[in-house]
Amino acid sequence: GAGVSQSPSNKVTEKGKDVELRCDPISGHTALYWYRQSLGQGLEFLIYFQGNSAPDKSGLPSDRFSAERTGGSVSTLTIQRTQQEDSAVYLCASSLESAAYNEQFFGPGTRLTVL
Amino acid sequence: AQSVTQLGSHVSVSEGALVLLRCNYSSSVPPYLFWYVQYPNQGLQLLLKYTSAATLVKGINGFEAEFKKSETSFHLTKPSAHMSDAAEYFCAVSEGSGGGADGLTFGKGTHLIIQP
Repeated sequence: GAGVSQSPSNKVTEKGKDVELRCDPISGHTALYWYRQSLGQGLEFLIYFQGNSAPDKSGLPSDRFSAERTGGSVSTLTIQRTQQEDSAVYLCASSLESAAYNEQFFGPGTRLTVL
Repeated sequence: AQSVTQLGSHVSVSEGALVLLRCNYSSSVPPYLFWYVQYPNQGLQLLLKYTSAATLVKGINGFEAEFKKSETSFHLTKPSAHMSDAAEYFCAVSEGSGGGADGLTFGKGTHLIIQP
């Protein structure tokens, strides 16, 4: 079956512009996660959805970051007024349910470059 | 709070030699532990996970890891390295009390280099 897909695979934008990153989880997976991977910070957890609800948004780096999930499926991560430090690979993962022992299945990521 | 330390940002072994990638964790509750592999320009793939059943966990591609509570370690091993094992390896921890809401906490990663 299809894995986690993300689009676009690459995004180059100018400082100050807004960007939207999309994640399509594996069908039937109720839990969805966003991570950021950068050279300086490694892999950082950003936010988690159980269904359409995100219980804790404190992992988002700043108030320029927001995320939503609709219909218990597709999720979008939006970064407003992008800054150069936002340049990173943004990874999405999904799991069957939100239990901590469940495997998270990762997408290929979106590489964001802010000029 | 949970954390993961991976000793050695780069590890180089000869093809056919033993692979040992080190991971130590810190967790306030019994942890769930994972090893993921990342090939260039790809997402992360699960190698194996520890979920409080057997302490010696076998994974894909001949890898295994042993959970040692007394040493707070979860080192990854493979008896004989293959050229296709060259990749970035990440150790991760998840605390059961978070129910998954805290996500995975990853180590900085270890780049495995296989010498012919």
